[in-house]
Amino acid sequence: GENVEQHPSTLSVQEGDSAVIKCTYSDSASNYFPWYKQELGKRPQLIIDIRSNVGEKKDQRIAVTLNKTAKHFSLHITETQPEDSAVYFCAGLPTGTASKLTFGTGTRLQVTL
Amino acid sequence: DVKVTQSSRYLVKRTGEKVFLECVQDMDHENMFWYRQDPGLGLRLIYFSYDVKMKEKGDIPEGYSVSREKKERVSLILESASTNQTSMYLCASMEQGAGNTIYFGEGSWLTVV
Repeated sequence: GENVEQHPSTLSVQEGDSAVIKCTYSDSASNYFPWYKQELGKRPQLIIDIRSNVGEKKDQRIAVTLNKTAKHFSLHITETQPEDSAVYFCAGLPTGTASKLTFGTGTRLQVTL
Repeated sequence: DVKVTQSSRYLVKRTGEKVFLECVQDMDHENMFWYRQDPGLGLRLIYFSYDVKMKEKGDIPEGYSVSREKKERVSLILESASTNQTSMYLCASMEQGAGNTIYFGEGSWLTVV
C-alpha cells in the first residue's frame, strides 16, 4: 500500500517568514494529494490539494508543488501569521482505493512573534 | 457547509467495557471513515464504510468494528476496551469518487482506565 512520509515533525518560524513542509510517497500511481490543517482542539480541514496532472497550485499565501518523478510534494506558506500555527497533514491517494487517503504523520508549525 | 457530528467529545471508560462512538453526517455522503489520531503517528484509518452495511478494514482494525445501518450514521465499536485504545477518534465523511474532500468531525477523546 501507499506510504506517506512527512518532514519536519515540528517547525518554528518567525512571523512574516516562509514555512515549507515536505512529503514523500511510495506509490508512483497515486494521483491526488491534499493538505489538511488542524488548529488546536479543532477538526482537520482541507486547505489545498493538487492532482498529478499539475506541478503547482497556489491559493493566496499557500502553495503546493508536486514532483512526480521524485515522488514528493511540498506545502509552502509565505508571510506566515500567528493564525497559521497548527498541525498540518499531507495525504496521498493510493491506486485502487477510490476513497482511502493515506496521511502523513503531521507537522506542528509554530509561528512566533 | 458539511456537518459531521460526533456525539461524544470526551469519554472515560473502564478496561473491558464495550464502547460505542457515534457519528452523523448531513450531506448524504456514501463514504464514512473512522480514524485514530495519536501524537507522532498522524491519522490512521481504522475502518471505512462505503455504503449502508458495507465496510472495509483500514490499516489498524484490530479491536474495533463498525456498524452502518443508515446512510447518515456510522458507529465505531470497541468490543472490549483496552488502555492502548486511549486516543482521539475522528469520524469523517466524503462523497463517493476519487479525490473528493474528506470532512472531519470534531473528534472524540477516549480514555480507557
